[in-house]
Amino acid sequence: EVQLLESGGGSVQPGGSLRLSCAASGFTFSSYVMSWVRQAPGKGLEWVSTISGSGVSTYYADSVKGRFTISRDNSKNTLYLQMNSLKAEDTAVYHCAKGFYYGDSPFDPWGQGTLVTVSS
Amino acid sequence: DIQMTQSPSTLSASVGDRVTITCRASQSISSWLAWYQQKPGKAPNLLIYKASTLESGVPSRFSGSGSGTEFTLTISSLQPDDFATYYCQQYNSYPYSFGQGTKLEIK
Repeated sequence: EVQLLESGGGSVQPGGSLRLSCAASGFTFSSYVMSWVRQAPGKGLEWVSTISGSGVSTYYADSVKGRFTISRDNSKNTLYLQMNSLKAEDTAVYHCAKGFYYGDSPFDPWGQGTLVTVSS
Repeated sequence: DIQMTQSPSTLSASVGDRVTITCRASQSISSWLAWYQQKPGKAPNLLIYKASTLESGVPSRFSGSGSGTEFTLTISSLQPDDFATYYCQQYNSYPYSFGQGTKLEIK
């Protein structure tokens, strides 16, 4: 069974940093694209970032480009999101998600998410 | 960037009703469209991919259609478990994007 477990969320002041982790199990981690998707309280889904299976290719939403860095450690089956220069509008539940099939694909499954709150 | 627009934002319906949700893309995405269902406090679940392919285990009352810029999600006979929020998503090109969601409520 595929499992994705996020951690690292919490409360941080504007301008601060956090690193989210997503521990994966139940599949060949290095073979799949992985992504982060966030959802602000009471709002819709927003794609944040995607990384290829090898980690060579990365993609970012304009709203986080230059502030967030996605990475992965295939030896540890773990996905990361380093978030710097955090803003109030980054407050959201952050989900990691597995590419449904090889290559560009929708997300399935998703982790339950970790809450990031940016507030002074 | 590709913008995804869903309609309606809210839909009130009764058990047994047939409902349709529409998703429009600002430019052609071929059939690279997915639909998700999300219940409060839960992660989204993939229902349909490639516009019309049902994910394994999804009831056959769900169906998807469309290509290019216009897509629909249809539920043929609403069941109590179907009251949730539905999102479309394009994965034709980066940046990926979601529709704003359609909340399906009990009438």
